[in-house]
Amino acid sequence: GAVVSQHPSRVICKSGTSVKIECRSLDFQATTMFWYRQFPKQSLMLMATSNEGSKATYEQGVEKDKFLINHASLTLSTLTVTSAHPEDSSFYICSALGGGFSPLHFGNGTRLTVT
Amino acid sequence: DQQVKQNSPSLSVQEGRISILNCDYTNSMFDYFLWYKKYPAEGPTFLISISSIKDKNEDGRFTVFLNKSAKHLSLHIVPSQPGDSAVYFCAASGRNGNQGGKLIFGQGTELSVKP
Repeated sequence: GAVVSQHPSRVICKSGTSVKIECRSLDFQATTMFWYRQFPKQSLMLMATSNEGSKATYEQGVEKDKFLINHASLTLSTLTVTSAHPEDSSFYICSALGGGFSPLHFGNGTRLTVT
Repeated sequence: DQQVKQNSPSLSVQEGRISILNCDYTNSMFDYFLWYKKYPAEGPTFLISISSIKDKNEDGRFTVFLNKSAKHLSLHIVPSQPGDSAVYFCAASGRNGNQGGKLIFGQGTELSVKP
């Protein structure tokens, strides 16, 4: 079945630094990738929609200059958390959509801790 | 504004019995509903879905029921097994299935199946 790989699974960084998270679709071409964020005991909140070769579409309240998304190919999207702060600590999950009518497939998520 | 709601944060069921997880939604434009299962520190795994043209979809031990007039869906797991213990998320999308893949998630229900 379709597989989405997300890397790293866990990262700890210091406040003020930037962190890049990669999301790859391993056996299909993902026309669209999505980035979600989950706080403990809460729902997955959509942050942005990423289409290959075009600018990402951000949800209301998400700072595009802070959460940089690049979708350079049909199999790779990256999320860079710039100038990270402790309040950015969260679980970030990507998902990928291939063509057609199919459920989203999710990566295993990245636990970001900003100290 | 929580468009998809799972009002029970947790549910405990005895092994072998039926688990019923509930989900309500407010947006009548939603036409495709999914259930995902999630373990801690992992991404959600797709379980089962239902289109708004149906009122029931069954896959093995999992059955999803949709009541459009009540804007309510439920996931039945029977018989429940200890391995089913996880957080279950209900998700919805609009416009012919995936709304480009943009899913709105409920808050999740943590299911615990006791041996």
